[in-house]
Amino acid sequence: GDQVEQSPSALSLHEGTGSALRCNFTTTMRAVQWFQQNSRGSLINLFYLASGTKENGRLKSTFNSKESYSTLHIRDAQLEDSGTYFCAARPSSNTNKVVFGTGTRLQVLP
Amino acid sequence: EAAVTQSPRNKVTVTGGNVTLSCRQTNSHNYMYWYRQDTGHGLRLIHYSYGAGNLQIGDVPDGYKATRTTQEDFFLLLELASPSQTSLYFCASSDAGTTNSDYTFGSGTRLLVI
Repeated sequence: GDQVEQSPSALSLHEGTGSALRCNFTTTMRAVQWFQQNSRGSLINLFYLASGTKENGRLKSTFNSKESYSTLHIRDAQLEDSGTYFCAARPSSNTNKVVFGTGTRLQVLP
Repeated sequence: EAAVTQSPRNKVTVTGGNVTLSCRQTNSHNYMYWYRQDTGHGLRLIHYSYGAGNLQIGDVPDGYKATRTTQEDFFLLLELASPSQTSLYFCASSDAGTTNSDYTFGSGTRLLVI
């Protein structure tokens, strides 16, 4: 079925450093969305992509539908970036539903 | 400002109790969704709707009913709550069918069934 494999499951970064989170898809996806879940539990929209790359401040995301993956790059990590990051993708076979990854728990250390 | 508002923010009920979670969106979106979030499972879809009076079954519907009374309002009903339904519940809306149909989530409802 339609699945999203998200990695890594957990990540620690020191302030000022960066890393990449990745989602691999088992089927063709039409679009992907990235969220940050903050310490209060709220889900914050980061990016919505139907293709290509988007950048917003220290965050950049890429979606490659043909190769079935999406990435979220974080640079110059700050303490407030800590939280859990989810990707969510819309299968091309059923765009009314979204499939979520299990999340990457990011901890930014001083 | 367009938003998705959930109520209550927190709820405690006893096993067998009757609970209604409310969600209202002012995005003029046609689709609304109810998810539950549990450790190790991420977000799982319970029910969704593409308009007033419509209801679609999600991936984990057992023990839940839902009703979409208007385009703005979507309710999740637990008529005989069980401890396994202790979870964090999210409502979301989207305008699926457009080229930029991203999700907007509410702030969540924490439900504890004791």
